[in-house]
Formats: sequence, structure tokens, C-alpha cells
Amino acid sequence: EDQVTQSPEALRLQEGESSSLNCSYTVSGLRGLFWYRQDPGKGPEFLFTLYSAGEEKEKERLKATLTKKESFLHITAPKPEDSATYLCAVLANTGNQFYFGTGTSLTVIP
Amino acid sequence: EPEVTQTPSHQVTQMGQEVILRCVPISNHLYFYWYRQILGQKVEFLVSFYNNEISEKSEIFDDQFSVERPDGSNFTLKIRSTKLEDSAMYFCASRFLTEAFFGQGTRLTVV
Repeated sequence: EDQVTQSPEALRLQEGESSSLNCSYTVSGLRGLFWYRQDPGKGPEFLFTLYSAGEEKEKERLKATLTKKESFLHITAPKPEDSATYLCAVLANTGNQFYFGTGTSLTVIP
Repeated sequence: EPEVTQTPSHQVTQMGQEVILRCVPISNHLYFYWYRQILGQKVEFLVSFYNNEISEKSEIFDDQFSVERPDGSNFTLKIRSTKLEDSAMYFCASRFLTEAFFGQGTRLTVV
């Protein structure tokens, strides 16, 4: 069965303290791995799609990387406005649905 | 930046009533989705729609639910005989190849 697991569930960082969020997945052939940011009461906001192992993408203080079993979202020198829940989702080669992880709730303290 | 639009943003309905949630997907996208998120829980798949028909649906998407693309731009989710446990945020998404965008959601409250 296709599965996505995110860790940690929650993360508190001091402003400027870099860290990484993890997304482990098992799918029968990966078509794409997606990272989203979700603010309370809002829809998931698209950040990145990664397609193959070794790929990296960057946006401001965020960098996403992908291996054959997991993806990392690295946050460099975070600011309070980076506080949100970060969701990982995978799209398998078979089927059209996205499988979501439970998310990592990030709090950045000034 | 492309945008998926959902209306209404908040809907309150009495148990047993029918509701229709509306979405305008991104115009050149081919796949459309409905997901829901109960407060504090995971985003759950309901249904995907491609080429004017359902391509996949989850166990949650039973006879109480239906989807339509009535006019080539709107994409609707109908929930019949609403139950208290249907209270959730409902998100529409649209996808072209491997770019997928979500709307801001409709918060459905069943009382």
C-alpha cells in the first residue's frame, strides 16, 4: 500500500536556527513528490515538485531534496513568517490521487 | 500565479440537508480533485476526475457524494443528507502533468 510518513510532527526553532523536515514514502513507482505549505484555515500552497532521486529545488530559505525513499525540506535561517504546517504528498505512476503525509507543524520563535 | 477558486468559503448547513461546493479549476488543467481535511487531521482524498468522468474515488466517496463538471469551467461536489461527521474543510485541486494547485477551501459545518 502506498504510504507517506512525515517527521517530526512538530518542530520549534529559534529564528535563524536551520533544520530539516523529513518525508518518507513507499509507492509503486513515483511520478512526483510534492511539498506544500499550509497556514491555519487555508488550502495547501504549492512549493515544489521533485521527480527523481538526486533532484533538488530551492525557493528562498527552502530547499527540497529527493532520494529513492525520502525527501527532505531544509529550512535555512528561518523567520517567524515561515511558521506553518508543511505537507508532503506523492503521486504514484499508477493512479491519479495524491497521498498526503500528516504534516510537520513548524513554529519559528523570534 | 495560477489559482483555483472555491466558493463559498464557509457553509453552515443543517443535518440532513444537501450542499453543493463549487470550484473553478485552472483553465488548462486536465485532472480535478476533491480532498477534505477534518480539523487537526490529515488531508484525505475523496475523488479524482478526468475527461468528464470519475477516474478514482476513495472509500469515503460513497453514494452520499457526487461530482459534476456542468459547464466546462466549474467543478462541483454535492453532498446529500449531510451528517455531523461531514464537517470539515473541503479542498478542490487541479493538476496539469505534475503541477498541482489547491484552492483555499470551503469550511463546511453541519449542525
